[in-house]
Amino acid sequence: AQSVAQPEDQVNVAEGNPLTVKCTYSVSGNPYLFWYVQYPNRGLQFLLKYITGDNLVKGSYGFEAEFNKSQTSFHLKKPSALVSDSALYFCAVRDFNSGSARQLTFGSGTQLTVLP
Amino acid sequence: GAVVSQHPSWVICKSGTSVKIECRSLDFQATTMFWYRQFPKQSLMLMATSNEGSKATYEQGVEKDKFLINHASLTLSTLTVTSAHPEDSSFYICSAFRLAGAQTQYFGPGTRLLVL
Repeated sequence: AQSVAQPEDQVNVAEGNPLTVKCTYSVSGNPYLFWYVQYPNRGLQFLLKYITGDNLVKGSYGFEAEFNKSQTSFHLKKPSALVSDSALYFCAVRDFNSGSARQLTFGSGTQLTVLP
Repeated sequence: GAVVSQHPSWVICKSGTSVKIECRSLDFQATTMFWYRQFPKQSLMLMATSNEGSKATYEQGVEKDKFLINHASLTLSTLTVTSAHPEDSSFYICSAFRLAGAQTQYFGPGTRLLVL
């Protein structure tokens, strides 16, 4: 079974400061890891993914995430937050070895608020 | 980038009526699509996996006779909520699995259903 934990329901950060949204995962095999962002009353927008290769993954809108296998983490980061980054962020995982099962397992979401 | 559309974006209906929601992958073929349900300030709950040309696979606890899924082509899946009741009111989101490009799911903008 695969699972994702986002330990923080809410993260507040001042505009211009660095931000981190935490995510840890559990899979039986190798993970595919994803970050999505959701604005109010909208679907999810893909931000970035880790499949293989470099542990530091760069994505849309200046976001990046670092895959840490020993800590089973995939924290989302941005060096300088913008007010427009305020949204709901979801981490998701899929087991690389899950064969034909392609569904993602999502974390509970973290509401990011960037204060002006 | 990959685009997934949903129609309608919102719908209000009377209790007992049926509502059909369409999910289309606009610029890629999707052999697999997923239907999710999201309650306010909560994560996405996978309802079913829709496979082109075959029966959908439903998650435990999801009534297949109530939530009818049809995946008639490589770009279209439909979810029909039959005999809708107020407790079916929710935000329904579809996603399409893009095999090309390292296996990323792309999400539709969601459909807000309100059953009176």
